[in-house]
Amino acid sequence: GAGVSQSPSNKVTEKGKDVELRCDPISGHTALYWYRQSLGQGLEFLIYFQGNSAPDKSGLPSDRFSAERTGGSVSTLTIQRTQQEDSAVYLCASSPDRGAYGTQYFGPGTRLLVL
Amino acid sequence: AQSVAQPEDQVNVAEGNPLTVKCTYSVSGNPYLFWYVQYPNRGLQFLLKYITGDNLVKGSYGFEAEFNKSQTSFHRKNPSALGRDSALYFCAVRDPGGGGSYIPTFGRGTSLIVHP
Repeated sequence: GAGVSQSPSNKVTEKGKDVELRCDPISGHTALYWYRQSLGQGLEFLIYFQGNSAPDKSGLPSDRFSAERTGGSVSTLTIQRTQQEDSAVYLCASSPDRGAYGTQYFGPGTRLLVL
Repeated sequence: AQSVAQPEDQVNVAEGNPLTVKCTYSVSGNPYLFWYVQYPNRGLQFLLKYITGDNLVKGSYGFEAEFNKSQTSFHRKNPSALGRDSALYFCAVRDPGGGGSYIPTFGRGTSLIVHP
C-alpha cells in the first residue's frame, strides 16, 4: 500500500518568507508526528497529533512554527518568517494507533533551504 | 523522563566481520525500544522493536538487536557485516509508563560504514 508522502521534496526560500510543508499519512493511521533533522544531528521532535485530541506542541522551537491536521488525515507544517537556522530536513511519520507500541512509518522528508 | 544515547557517530567494519552499533537508554519503567535505518535522501525505515519477551530480537533482512536490561542497552548486532549494511542507524526509546509516552526519543544516529 501507499506509504507516507510529503511535499514538496525540496524547498528553497528566502529569509523572511513563509513556507508550508505537507504530509499525507498512511490511510487509517491516527497518530502523526513532525520531526526536524539538521545536518549531522538526530531527530528533533516538533509536534504530535493523535486522533481528535489536542496536539502535543511541546517540541515547536518558536511561535513561528505551527501545524494543523485536517480531518484526522493530511497535516501541514507552517514556518513563518523563515530564518537560515530553519534549514533542515523536515520528516513526517504516522503510526497506526496507540496500541502499536509507537512503531512509526516515515515519509521521505522535505529538504528546506533558507537563503 | 526518557533518553537514549548512541555513543558512536561512526562505526567502521570490514565486510564479513561482526558488527555492533551501540545504543543505551534510560527510562523509569520498562522500555519500548526501536531501531530505524536511513539511507541517503530517504526517510527513516523501521527495522525492529523490543517490547517484551526474548532478549534477541530479529527483524527483516537479517537485522538483529540484543536487549540487556542490566546494562540498559539495545545494541544492534550482526555476526557478518555486508556492504548493504552501510547506512545511518537510529535507536529510539519510548517509556509507556511515563508522561508524553507516545512520543519516542531518538538517538543522534550512528553511521555504519562497511569496507570491502
